[in-house]
Amino acid sequence: EVHLVESGGGLVQPGGSLRLSCEASGFTFSSFWMAWVRQAPGKGLEWVANIRGDGSKINYVDSVKGRFTISRDNAKDSLYLQMNSLRAEDTSLYYCARDSNHYDSGIYYDTFDMWGQGTMVTVSS
Amino acid sequence: IQMTQSPSSLSASVGDRVTITCRASQGIRNELGWYQQKPGKAPKFLIYAASSLESGVPSRFSGSGSGTDFTLTISNLQPEDFATYYCLQDYNYPRTFGQGTKVEIK
Repeated sequence: EVHLVESGGGLVQPGGSLRLSCEASGFTFSSFWMAWVRQAPGKGLEWVANIRGDGSKINYVDSVKGRFTISRDNAKDSLYLQMNSLRAEDTSLYYCARDSNHYDSGIYYDTFDMWGQGTMVTVSS
Repeated sequence: IQMTQSPSSLSASVGDRVTITCRASQGIRNELGWYQQKPGKAPKFLIYAASSLESGVPSRFSGSGSGTDFTLTISNLQPEDFATYYCLQDYNYPRTFGQGTKVEIK
């Protein structure tokens, strides 16, 4: 069974750091792009970052560039998000998601077909 | 790219036909997906390439559009369809979601 399990969330002071993890099982992890998507309490979804299966391509939303680092360890079937210089506005439920990257007529389409349950990050003094 | 959904919420009855609109601030070809989210749950993937249904998604869900204007239609609304729906553009980076449309029971 395909499974994604996030961990590492918690309460942190502004300016602090956290490292989120997402452990994958039930599929060939290294074959898939992976992403982090967050959701502030009571708000909508926000795409944060993604990383190619071999780790060679990475993209971020502007608001986290220079502060967050996405990475992966394919030997451990794990995805990470290192979050530094945290701000109150980073308070969110963080989901990891598998991107099956569906190919059709010359275009690769993002298809986030598997999600974890999320891990909550609260930035507050 | 900004994605604007309308309406932000709507009330409908079981059996109704519901249409949600998503507008992109610039052309995105057909590079748009739709997701459903129920309270306390992770999102569920419904549609990619604006109109291609993910395997296992009921055929009462359909999508259309290209360029800047897109729609998600739910025909014959079922009790399990009451949720919040999001569009997501995957034309360029950063990916951006619409703000969501909450479908409530009338």
